[in-house]
Amino acid sequence: QVQLQESGPGLVKPSETLSLTCDVSGYSISSGYYWGWIRQPPGKGLEWIGSVYHSGSTYYNPSLKSRVTISVETSKNKFSLKLSSVTAADTAVYYCARHLAVGAFDPWGQGILVTVSS
Amino acid sequence: QTVVTQEPSFSVSPGGTITLTCGLSSGSVSTSYYPSWYQQTPGQAPRTLIYNINIRSSGVPDRFSGSILGNKAALTITGAQADDESDYYCVLYMGSGIWVFGGGTKLTVL
Repeated sequence: QVQLQESGPGLVKPSETLSLTCDVSGYSISSGYYWGWIRQPPGKGLEWIGSVYHSGSTYYNPSLKSRVTISVETSKNKFSLKLSSVTAADTAVYYCARHLAVGAFDPWGQGILVTVSS
Repeated sequence: QTVVTQEPSFSVSPGGTITLTCGLSSGSVSTSYYPSWYQQTPGQAPRTLIYNINIRSSGVPDRFSGSILGNKAALTITGAQADDESDYYCVLYMGSGIWVFGGGTKLTVL
């Protein structure tokens, strides 16, 4: 059974960089699939942030592209998200998920709330 | 940027049938957008219902079905139950590795 688990600081100061990791168990990232990050501000909808292929190729939401870096560490079976120059608008629950090139986001991690505040 | 549209809210009576839609601010949803649908209850991660238009995810009851209706993707719930009261999101593939979620539909069963 594939499981994903997000981890990282729950509080980030404005203008700093948000860094999260998604640990994958039950499946080897190097075997394939895309690995994505999705966020959800409190009381709002879902927003795709970006995805990384197991080879390291990346795809980003154009509205966030200038601030986002997603990378994969196949040796540790995890992938990471960095979002720079954060503001209060980046406060959200951040989810990681696996997906095919044109398939469903599944499974999802449980999500981690990141608050941007001084 | 293209906006993916969903009804903000909908209500259905227990046992009733409802169809939620997922459209584009410009253009029509076709098979090449590979629509998928997710159900989310408060405080929980989304649950995959339907992917690639009409394929049910493992464990999803067959009263949930997906299709293309006219120029939109659609999620139909047949025989709505109280625990179907949730938020429903669609996501479309825009090509070049880009995905866009709809704003979500809040479904009330009453």
